[in-house]
Amino acid sequence: GAGVSQSPSNKVTEKGKDVELRCDPISGHTALYWYRQSLGQGLEFLIYFQGNSAPDKSGLPSDRFSAERTGGSVSTLTIQRTQQEDSAVYLCASSLSRNEAFFGQGTRLTVV
Amino acid sequence: GENVEQHPSTLSVQEGDSAVIKCTYSDSASNYFPWYKQELGKRPQLIIDIRSNVGEKKDQRIAVTLNKTAKHFSLHITETQPEDSAVYFCAASKLGNEKLTFGTGTRLTIIP
Repeated sequence: GAGVSQSPSNKVTEKGKDVELRCDPISGHTALYWYRQSLGQGLEFLIYFQGNSAPDKSGLPSDRFSAERTGGSVSTLTIQRTQQEDSAVYLCASSLSRNEAFFGQGTRLTVV
Repeated sequence: GENVEQHPSTLSVQEGDSAVIKCTYSDSASNYFPWYKQELGKRPQLIIDIRSNVGEKKDQRIAVTLNKTAKHFSLHITETQPEDSAVYFCAASKLGNEKLTFGTGTRLTIIP
């Protein structure tokens, strides 16, 4: 595809369930980011992948959050035992080094 | 790690007037400074960026200035129009650790 693709677009889940959010970056982009954006708020950094380097996980809010990037391409963000405060839009972005980061349309997660 | 502060958090400007948003960064090694615009319900998109080898960059009605000594950079929008209403994010990154660190955002409202 031409841009960063995220799925699903919307996800409603019950408190305590696990969820997986997927990001398909632009082909060839070495950097991949996950951010979280609560309603009307800023971009909260979660995790950063760059090539084959160890990911920067410093933004993950708790051990319920994890992410992987397989083959340097697709990434999955997993949230275990979801809580209501996890409700937000999760944005993925990809870029070539030190160039424009392209964002996906986001996954709106609602925990009920 | 890098810390980016952004001011103001909200800004209302009469249509046709200029708007200025300022960011400061903490890491003197940072050398790439992009600005993103996020319209309501949409993904952030790059509008302009500057690298540390220049002090100013212009693109039609928008410009960015960089003061490396003071470690701050600013976005200037002239002749503002209603479609400029959005949330604007600044960011910074550096060679060797190219994770984009975002500011907290500025909600710009253009008053017709």
